[in-house]
This record gives sequence, structure tokens and C-alpha cells, in this order.
Amino acid sequence: DGGITQSPKYLFRKEGQNVTLSCEQNLNHDAMYWYRQDPGQGLRLIYYSQIVNDFQKGDIAEGYSVSREKKESFPLTVTSAQKNPTAFYLCASETSYNEQFFGPGTRLTVL
Amino acid sequence: AQSVTQPDIHITVSEGASLELRCNYSYGATPYLFWYVQSPGQGLQLLLKYFSGDTLVQGIKGFEAEFKRSQSSFNLRKPSVHWSDAAEYFCAVAGTGGFKTIFGAGTRLFVKA
Repeated sequence: DGGITQSPKYLFRKEGQNVTLSCEQNLNHDAMYWYRQDPGQGLRLIYYSQIVNDFQKGDIAEGYSVSREKKESFPLTVTSAQKNPTAFYLCASETSYNEQFFGPGTRLTVL
Repeated sequence: AQSVTQPDIHITVSEGASLELRCNYSYGATPYLFWYVQSPGQGLQLLLKYFSGDTLVQGIKGFEAEFKRSQSSFNLRKPSVHWSDAAEYFCAVAGTGGFKTIFGAGTRLFVKA
């Protein structure tokens, strides 16, 4: 089955620690996105990539980093510079007609 | 600037009643328009999409939406709501030329028995 997978489902981070969220897709889509969602809030764009080895900052990129070495993979690192990282993180891939397919999400909690 | 507005933060409807969720957009050309649904703790799922042609589009789970260019709107409708429709609904707009997708803030739907 084609789709988007995110792991882990739940992640706990200690203060000052970097953590990496995984996002993999087998839909053969060029574009991939990372969003952050806080309780009762909409989606806020962190980073996006429209092609391998290229990515752009979104609206809230500070404290986050990404890489896009393979078409299938778009991992997100939450660095210690992100002061309030507790949130629900969603990864998506996108067709050439801008239809987005979302993963199940990763809930990150800072201890 | 491109934008999407969902005027209603939350809506409560009775089971079996009809539903309309509002979406207004601002975009310089003919947009691609989408409605997504999100159940608590899950990712978003596409309900329906409009690219061109017939302005009334049908989606999954009995939903439909109508594109009205004159009103810059793309409202989502369902004739009879089921308890399982309780979720958050997001309208989104996209376009050609590298224009990235913009999501509205979402409307949370509550269904009462």
C-alpha cells in the first residue's frame, strides 16, 4: 500500500536535546512538507521541499532543521534552539496538483 | 496576498441535520481548492478537491462543495450529518507556479445526539 509513514508516534525530549522525526513516503511525490499543530490551532508550515537536495523555510523554521537526500525521506530535527517544541507534527507529500497526503503524525513532548 | 478564511471556529449540529462549513479564499488566479478532515490525534485526509470544470464537486463520506468564483468561496456541505463526522475540517487553497498550499485555521464540528 502506498502512503506516508511517520515515526515514532510519541516522542519525549529532555531539555537541551535534539530529536529527529522520521517521515517516509512511497507515493513517488517530489514535494514534501512538515507542519506543526498546537492544540486548537491550525497547521503551521515548518519546512518544505519540492525536490531532492532542496528545501525552503516555512513560517516557523527557527529551531528546526531538515534534509532531503532521498525522494522518499524528509526527516525533521527539532533542535535545542526550539524553545517550545511540545506539539503534534505532521508530514505530508504532495502531488503535482497540490493534493497533499498526510502521515499519522508524531506527538512530541518536552519533559 | 493569498489567504484562506474559515469564519467559524466551531459548529454544533444535531445528528441527521444538514451541515455547511464556510471557506473564503483570496488568490489572484483560478485556485486549486481542497477540503481535508482530521480526527483527533490523526493526520489529515482529503475529502474533496476542485481544479476546474463543474463547480459542484463530490467527495468521500457524502460530502460536497461548491466553488463560487464571484464570492471567492468554497463551502462544504453534507445533507445529513452522522456522529462519526465529528472532527476538524480544513479548507486549503493552492495554485500553479510553485505557489505552496495555504490552509485555513480549521472548523471543529461537534455532533449532538
